[in-house]
Amino acid sequence: QVQLQESGPGLVKPSGTLSLTCAVSGDSISSSNWWSWVRQPPGAGLEWIGEIYHDGSTNYNSSLKSRVTISVDKSKKQFSLKLYYVTAADTAVYYCARKGYYGSRSYYNWGQGTQVTVSS
Amino acid sequence: DIQMTQSPSSLSASVGDSVTITCRASQSITNYLNWYQQKPGKAPNLLIYAASSLQSGVPSRFSGSGSGTDFTLTISSLQPEDFATYYCQQSYSTPLFGQGTKLEIK
Repeated sequence: QVQLQESGPGLVKPSGTLSLTCAVSGDSISSSNWWSWVRQPPGAGLEWIGEIYHDGSTNYNSSLKSRVTISVDKSKKQFSLKLYYVTAADTAVYYCARKGYYGSRSYYNWGQGTQVTVSS
Repeated sequence: DIQMTQSPSSLSASVGDSVTITCRASQSITNYLNWYQQKPGKAPNLLIYAASSLQSGVPSRFSGSGSGTDFTLTISSLQPEDFATYYCQQSYSTPLFGQGTKLEIK
C-alpha cells in the first residue's frame, strides 16, 4: 500500500518560495502513476495544483502555472513542489497524492498533509 | 474547463437516516467521477470511483450512481462515523473537485 509523507517549512514569508517534498514508499515512483499536489485553504475546498510523471512530464493548474514547479528525484523516491512569490492566499494544507488507476479511471491516494502559513 | 457543482453545501441528518448528495458537471464526463470523504484534520479518503464502484474496505451503505453530467452519492442508514465532508472529483480532464458537502448531525 502506497504511503506518502510531506515535509517542508510550515511558515513562509510573503513573496518568498514555498518548498515541499513528498517521500514515496510502498510503490515505485517509476510506476505508471502520476504524482500530484493538492491544497486546501482554511475552511475551503480542494484545489489541484499539478502533477508529474517519473519521466519528468508535468501538468499544472492553469491558475498557478506561472508560479509552480514540480520535480521528481527517482533516486531519493520523492517528488517536490515549489510555489514562487507566495501571498497569504497560498496559506493552506498541502497534500501530496498518487494518481492511481482502475483501468482508465483515476483516483487519488493521499499523504496526511502539511500546513503551510504565509506570514511575515 | 469543466465545472463541477455540488449540492447541497451542508446537510443535517440523524443516525439511521438516508442522505443523497448531488454533483453536476458542466459537460459530459461519462463516469469519470470519484467521491471522497474527509474528516476534520485528515486527508480525503476515496469512497467511490468510476461513479458507482465501491472502493475496497468502504461499507456497502455508501453507493454512487449517475453518468454523463449528473451524479449522486447516497449514504443509507447513517452511522456516527459518517458525519464528515464529502467531495466529488472529476477525472475526465484537468482534475477538479466539487465545493464539498458538510454532513452534520441533526
